[in-house]
Amino acid sequence: DIQMTQSPSTLSASVGDRVTITCRASQSISSGLAWYQQKPGKAPKLLIYKASSLESGVPSRFSGTGSGTEFALTISSLQPDDFATYYCHQYYSYSWTFGQGTRVEIK
Amino acid sequence: QVQLQESGPGLVKPSETLSLTCTVSGGSISGYYWSWIRLPPGKGLEWIGYIYYSGSTNYNPSLKSRVTISVDTSKNQFSLRLSSVTAADTAVYYCARHAHGVGMDVWGQGTTVTVSS
Repeated sequence: DIQMTQSPSTLSASVGDRVTITCRASQSISSGLAWYQQKPGKAPKLLIYKASSLESGVPSRFSGTGSGTEFALTISSLQPDDFATYYCHQYYSYSWTFGQGTRVEIK
Repeated sequence: QVQLQESGPGLVKPSETLSLTCTVSGGSISGYYWSWIRLPPGKGLEWIGYIYYSGSTNYNPSLKSRVTISVDTSKNQFSLRLSSVTAADTAVYYCARHAHGVGMDVWGQGTTVTVSS
């Protein structure tokens, strides 16, 4: 199985900050990676697919980079609506896996 | 606009079988992968498995012995069965659509399943 190691587990930041979340795969997954945002009591929302493609309707302050084993999600200027938990998800292999999640909280 | 809706019992007894159905509305079940994902309390997302509209499946190895996912294209539905449940299977269960190479772009609202006697 491909393991996804996401860091940090918690991130404290202020409105306007630039924040980066990283995800490392235990073996190469090419660009088979997505990022999701989840708020309490809500379903996850797709932000990024194919490692760097922005899902339709998602603000441009979200961006994804990486390929192979190292990936990152960056929020260029954190907004109040962005405080949530973020997950990476690899779908390169037949057996999919999520990262452990990163909770972005208000500093 | 495609929408997904999970349905099924909210309470299941230990050792019994959890059964959920996801109804797809506003679009066809054809051409996509259909997944089940769960969120246990205080933990992260866990992928359970998926079924392609043609019927081929793939399951999380840690759950494979207990999971069955099936599809009914005539009803635009797919279903999850998880046998021999324990308290560790208590979670919010989500169904989701996955377009090839795109990620899970449409999700149900989620349904809470509690395993308790």
